[in-house]
Amino acid sequence: DAGITQSPRHKVTETGTPVTLRCHQTENHRYMYWYRQDPGHGLRLIHYSYGVKDTDKGEVSDGYSVSRSKTEDFLLTLESATSSQTSVYFCAISEGSQREKLFFGSGTQLSVL
Amino acid sequence: AQSVSQHNHHVILSEAASLELGCNYSYGGTVNLFWYVQYPGQHLQLLLKYFSGDPLVKGIKGFEAEFIKSKFSFNLRKPSVQWSDTAEYFCAVHSSNTGKLIFGQGTTLQVKP
Repeated sequence: DAGITQSPRHKVTETGTPVTLRCHQTENHRYMYWYRQDPGHGLRLIHYSYGVKDTDKGEVSDGYSVSRSKTEDFLLTLESATSSQTSVYFCAISEGSQREKLFFGSGTQLSVL
Repeated sequence: AQSVSQHNHHVILSEAASLELGCNYSYGGTVNLFWYVQYPGQHLQLLLKYFSGDPLVKGIKGFEAEFIKSKFSFNLRKPSVQWSDTAEYFCAVHSSNTGKLIFGQGTTLQVKP
């Protein structure tokens, strides 16, 4: 498996609180992504990064922000969590921009009560 | 709008039955096509991919998929499923025009022993 670590693995939080999820990679890949997985929707891209301090929005970016201060870490922040953000969050990395092979992390189960 | 559609949401088969999961997309232009698999409790793994050349692509674990450009389809097949194939399967399409990788809604496959 590619060296991708997501933390925490599980989180329960209350509506209105800030939450930060961390993705750490040891592969030195340039591209990193945050997806959310919901039944009936498959995986939807939240934000992605194509380099340190270079990020862009995905399909469902509202309510989320990201930061990438170094190659190995990509943080996803929910500034004020809502119940609609209850989901499983997956980080992914790829070496090339064509995403010819995405490596996924193990996921973070987030519950917003 | 660009979309990826997986027609079968939940498929139940007996061992040794043949499998075909449908995937259709609505992109124009050059596309790269993927099937990912997610076994229970695990993260997504690449099953197979199509970039160019022979439209019949062989993947791991006996899976194959056929790209039919005229039908905008990339159906996944396996001649004889096993209980260990129980998983969720995701089709994904990358468009060179938009640079986006979009996932289908997923198909849950349950194989009965």
